[in-house]
Amino acid sequence: GAGVSQSPRYKVAKRGQDVALRCDPISGHVSLFWYQQALGQGPEFLTYFQNEAQLDKSGLPSDRFFAERPEGSVSTLKIQRTQQEDSAVYLCASRDVTQETQYFGPGTRLLVL
Amino acid sequence: AQKVTQAQTEISVVEKEDVTLDCVYETRDTTYYLFWYKQPPSGELVFLIRRNSFDEQNEISGRYSWNFQKSTSSFNFTITASQVVDSAVYFCALSFSGTYKYIFGTGTRLKVLA
Repeated sequence: GAGVSQSPRYKVAKRGQDVALRCDPISGHVSLFWYQQALGQGPEFLTYFQNEAQLDKSGLPSDRFFAERPEGSVSTLKIQRTQQEDSAVYLCASRDVTQETQYFGPGTRLLVL
Repeated sequence: AQKVTQAQTEISVVEKEDVTLDCVYETRDTTYYLFWYKQPPSGELVFLIRRNSFDEQNEISGRYSWNFQKSTSSFNFTITASQVVDSAVYFCALSFSGTYKYIFGTGTRLKVLA
């Protein structure tokens, strides 16, 4: 079956631009997570959805970051007025409700100039 | 505090050597889950293993083995007879019931030289 997919794979933005990153989870997976991975670091949790409900957004670094999953499947992470410190790989993961294991997509590498 | 420490930033070995990657975790929860993931240059995190806090059995899968010791809060990963294809960054992670969000270590970059 298909894994988690993310688009675009690479995004270059000028400082101040808004960007939208998309995640398609594994079909049927109820839980969806977003992580941010800075260069040379481990991924850090941003936010978590169960179906369409955003149950935890404690990791979002500022109010410029916004995530949604309106129909409980595809999710979009939006970053407004991008800053250079937003440059990172953004990873999406999904999880079946009966398991503890998350399955990750290939990530979107964002470079803000 | 809940934390995962991977003290080894980078390890280089020659092909066919055995190598152990260390992972030490901190938590006060009695129920938790530990994971290892592999991140090859392509960037995708590949799941390797999951362990529950109440299951201290060690596990072997081919050339891979894992040693979980609650007494020392460690969950170490050993690759036997390493191969060049094992070259990657390896992450240890911790999660809990509830949201199951992961806390990752900083990763260990493994370079296997031919």
